Amino acid sequence: DADVTQTPRNRITKTGKRIMLECSQTKGHDRMYWYRQDPGLGLRLIYYSFDVKDINKGEISDGYSVSRQAQAKFSLSLESAIPNQTALYFCATSDESQRKKLFFGSGTQLSVL
Amino acid sequence: RKEVEQDPGPFNVPEGATVAFNCTYSNSASQSFFWYRQDCRKEPKLLMSVYSSGNEDGRFTAQLNRASQYISLLIRDSKLSDSATYLCVVRGYSTLTFGKGTMLLVSP
Repeated sequence: DADVTQTPRNRITKTGKRIMLECSQTKGHDRMYWYRQDPGLGLRLIYYSFDVKDINKGEISDGYSVSRQAQAKFSLSLESAIPNQTALYFCATSDESQRKKLFFGSGTQLSVL
Repeated sequence: RKEVEQDPGPFNVPEGATVAFNCTYSNSASQSFFWYRQDCRKEPKLLMSVYSSGNEDGRFTAQLNRASQYISLLIRDSKLSDSATYLCVVRGYSTLTFGKGTMLLVSP
């Protein structure tokens, strides 16, 4: 089983719908991250969390919210999806001793029509 | 100036060639530096860390020049399996910043 699991793998939705992307990890890491990747723009940080009570905005947090339900779970929500949120979304984890190394999930391809 | 800049490529090289990727970063307080590899539509994976003294891992050599804020990756004897996008990554105080990546295509 994957250490960092993202669900769903693919999602097509309509403008205005609420969407939740889920991430769970079995690595026991404290730190979790959500990135989005767009062609030609690289990976950009949306939100990150260093423990269950810690939530921080990243470079592009507008239009997104997150919830750290437990050490192992970090979900990303789009309250009202819009087409320019169509992207490949990655969840990642790291720990204090290895904060240089991110472990990524397999990604969620989200399409907003 | 963008935080982390890379030549987007693609770099098209024949098998066996030597290829070099460059990267510059804007934050002089950056603490750590890395190269990640990403295959098409897959998750990025750490290729190697980059140290000022230079470091080598098989056919891969990474260099860091802090004074110039410049990072490089050299791949010798390219293989078909090296075809991927190479991401330059810089760590600030708390998070990693990714470059947009340089695509490498190795042909027979």
